[in-house]
Amino acid sequence: QKEVEQNSGPLSVPEGAIASLNCTYSDRGSQSFFWYRQYSGKSPELIMFIYSNGDKEDGRFTAQLNKASQYVSLLIRDSQPSDSATYLCAVKRSGGSNYKLTFGKGTLLTVNP
Amino acid sequence: DAGITQSPRHKVTETGTPVTLRCHQTENHRYMYWYRQDPGHGLRLIHYSYGVKDTDKGEVSDGYSVSRSKTEDFLLTLESATSSQTSVYFCATADRGFTEAFFGQGTRLTVV
Repeated sequence: QKEVEQNSGPLSVPEGAIASLNCTYSDRGSQSFFWYRQYSGKSPELIMFIYSNGDKEDGRFTAQLNKASQYVSLLIRDSQPSDSATYLCAVKRSGGSNYKLTFGKGTLLTVNP
Repeated sequence: DAGITQSPRHKVTETGTPVTLRCHQTENHRYMYWYRQDPGHGLRLIHYSYGVKDTDKGEVSDGYSVSRSKTEDFLLTLESATSSQTSVYFCATADRGFTEAFFGQGTRLTVV
């Protein structure tokens, strides 16, 4: 089982719709969860992080974490063509000061005008 | 923009030669990471550092070594480059509380 799994997509949504991106992880000791956006040919940029169960909102983005089910999701409301990118889920594993940051393979999102 | 600089940005090298990539940060972040990104594989962790002179292996560490002699710099060395190490390499840093985790611009390495 992969440590961090994402549906590779592509996920296609119309402009103005809600895009839902999902991620599951295998290590129950994982502590922190991150969502990055990566445009083609660019480096990943941090969108949000979440530590606690529940929802965390930042503008049009909402991260949701369910540790019991070991999944984290990202909702993008009012999707715009500029949101078209690959979205990467990352998980920080536990272990004293020995912090690994492990990524899923990413989900390609296309927002159609 | 976060203060993370990778050098060089592009490099072409021959099989069997040693190569060193540098990551320099001005964020005073404790944690530093080297990843490679390849189509179909996503970002794979090579090595990481959790303090000066404290490093550990990631999932694809064979053929790579790292060093961190000061907080600002994390070096990745390919001891004897092979064609399979052709990739885009990213450095990332994170603060102690992991509230900030930023990437450098990436280094495109081609081994011919």
